[in-house]
Amino acid sequence: QKEVEQNSGPLSVPEGAIASLNCTYSDRGSQSFFWYRQYSGKSPELIMFIYSNGDKEDGRFTAQLNKASQYVSLLIRDSQPSDSATYLCAVPIRSGGYNKLIFGAGTRLAVHP
Amino acid sequence: ETGVTQTPRHLVMGMTNKKSLKCEQHLGHNAMYWYKQSAKKPLELMFVYSLEERVENNSVPSRFSPECPNSSHLFLHLHTLQPEDSALYLCASSQEGRFYNEQFFGPGTRLTVL
Repeated sequence: QKEVEQNSGPLSVPEGAIASLNCTYSDRGSQSFFWYRQYSGKSPELIMFIYSNGDKEDGRFTAQLNKASQYVSLLIRDSQPSDSATYLCAVPIRSGGYNKLIFGAGTRLAVHP
Repeated sequence: ETGVTQTPRHLVMGMTNKKSLKCEQHLGHNAMYWYKQSAKKPLELMFVYSLEERVENNSVPSRFSPECPNSSHLFLHLHTLQPEDSALYLCASSQEGRFYNEQFFGPGTRLTVL
């Protein structure tokens, strides 16, 4: 069974700080990764997609991928209270001729003023 | 309507009732998914439909019965549910064959079984 591991948190950071969210995965063949954000009571929304080793930046968000270590992270710079949510790491796999996502349990982030 | 819509948004039902959840995607995708999300648990993939054919059924109890009449619509028929089935049920869609096959989620149906 392919697995995606995340620390459930909560990760508490002060407003303006950098929040660092981590994800490890068991399948060495995984080539791409998604980060979804889910506010309480809402559905997940995609915030980042990365498939190359190294960093990918989008505004205040940076995804970092290290395939050798099977590790992907999400950094949120200048954290705001509105960033308080659960962040889900997801790995696409192909099984039986179709695609599906394997989700981690998510890390809950709390940004306090 | 845009994106993925789900109805109803909230549903309360007794264990002997029969109800259906509806999902519609307006994105031109060809794959649809049902997920269950219980409190403090990760997303559980229930069913996958690719090109209107059910391709995955993750050991889901038979009291949940999916139906995909076409690539835009997905239903989840519910009967004789248990209180532990209370959860947020999420529908998602994606485009098979794309490298970047993001799944887009609907707003979910919050189900309470009494």
